[in-house]
This record gives sequence, C-alpha cells and structure tokens, in this order.
Amino acid sequence: NAGVTQTPKFQVLKTGQSMTLQCAQDMNHEYMSWYRQDPGMGLRLIHYSVGAGITDQGEVPNGYNVSRSTTEDFPLRLLSAAPSQTSVYFCASSTGTWWYGYTFGSGTRLTVV
Amino acid sequence: AQSVAQPEDQVNVAEGNPLTVKCTYSVSGNPYLFWYVQYPNRGLQFLLKYITGDNLVKGSYGFEAEFNKSQTSFHLKKPSALVSDSALYFCAVRRLAGGYNKLIFGAGTRLAVHP
Repeated sequence: NAGVTQTPKFQVLKTGQSMTLQCAQDMNHEYMSWYRQDPGMGLRLIHYSVGAGITDQGEVPNGYNVSRSTTEDFPLRLLSAAPSQTSVYFCASSTGTWWYGYTFGSGTRLTVV
Repeated sequence: AQSVAQPEDQVNVAEGNPLTVKCTYSVSGNPYLFWYVQYPNRGLQFLLKYITGDNLVKGSYGFEAEFNKSQTSFHLKKPSALVSDSALYFCAVRRLAGGYNKLIFGAGTRLAVHP
C-alpha cells in the first residue's frame, strides 16, 4: 500500500517549458487536490477533484491545468513555466469521510530558471 | 471567510520542557480544525483534529490540542518535548465550498527542540 505517490521528486525547468507533475493514489479515494508550498505562506490550493471527470479551481489556479480520467491519477500540468512557479508541490487525497484527514504525497520540488 | 493564523514563525524549546504552538482561527459556524506536521523533505502528516466534543483533543506522537471557542484558538501542546519533535507544524481549517471540503492552512511554525 503506497498511499500517495508523486513523481518526480525534483525538477528544474527553463522558463517557458511545460511539464506534468504526476500523482497517483492506491486507496480508492474520491477526493484529490494539489497544493503548492512557499515559505511563509503555508500551503495554497491549486486545483482539486471530487471524482473522475470532475475538477475545479482552488486559490491559485493560474498557469496550471489538471484532469482526472481515473480515480487513481491526478496529474498537474504547467503549461509555460515561470520563475514564480518555483515551489514545492504536494498532492493530497481523502475519502468522502474527509475528516479523517488528507493523505499527502512526499512532494515535488520544482525550480524554474 | 475561514482562515487560520499562526503568530509565531519559530518556537524554541529545550528537550523535556512543555511546548505550545499557537493557532487562532476565524470561521463562520462551527470550526473544523486540524494540525499537521512536516518533517524535512517529507509530506505533511496528520496529527489531530477537532470536529466536535471535548475541547482537549489527543493525537499522534503524544501531542494534544485545546479548542477554546471564546478565544478562537486551537493551540498544539505536548507535556515533554523531544528533539525528534523538531519539524514544521501547520494549523488548518475546513472551508466548505462547492460541495468540497477544502483545507485552508496557516503559514506554519517551525519548532526547534534543543538537547
């Protein structure tokens, strides 16, 4: 039982490049979300999904795209990377009885130069 | 709008002493409050939650938190700190929007426990 798996763990991009951050969970959780973590700002919600085929925007969605074709996978796409997107990205999942808490992945550290 | 504030960027405590990490909240209605811990180069781990019931909530690793409605606070506590408790701690509150339970996080407090 791997929980929430994020790949890659580290990535360096050049400004303007695109890439996809992968997130997969094997707990059959309905809810999945992407957060970015920046110093002094805590975690901010980028996008979330309440089930396959259903996604919505969080607090800071600009520059990011998501889709959810399966229950297990929730990739985050950076369309044209900018230095402001340098951050640590976390994927999280939870069941419908969410108050047991979210399960977080170990994160992807992204640097845009 | 629901929000939480963690007034201290860092808390320093000697091993064996009690520790407190502060959190205040602003919500409409009944608050659903959480504490998470992040160890270096790791994801966030759930520590404890307050939904309803007793104001003193016990969680993982010997941590507890006290919900105080009159002071709108949810401080994290531990009677005797360990060096291994050194980590980044986040308070969070639920925001229900569009049928989805979003977690709104504070900025985090770095706990340093010294031998």
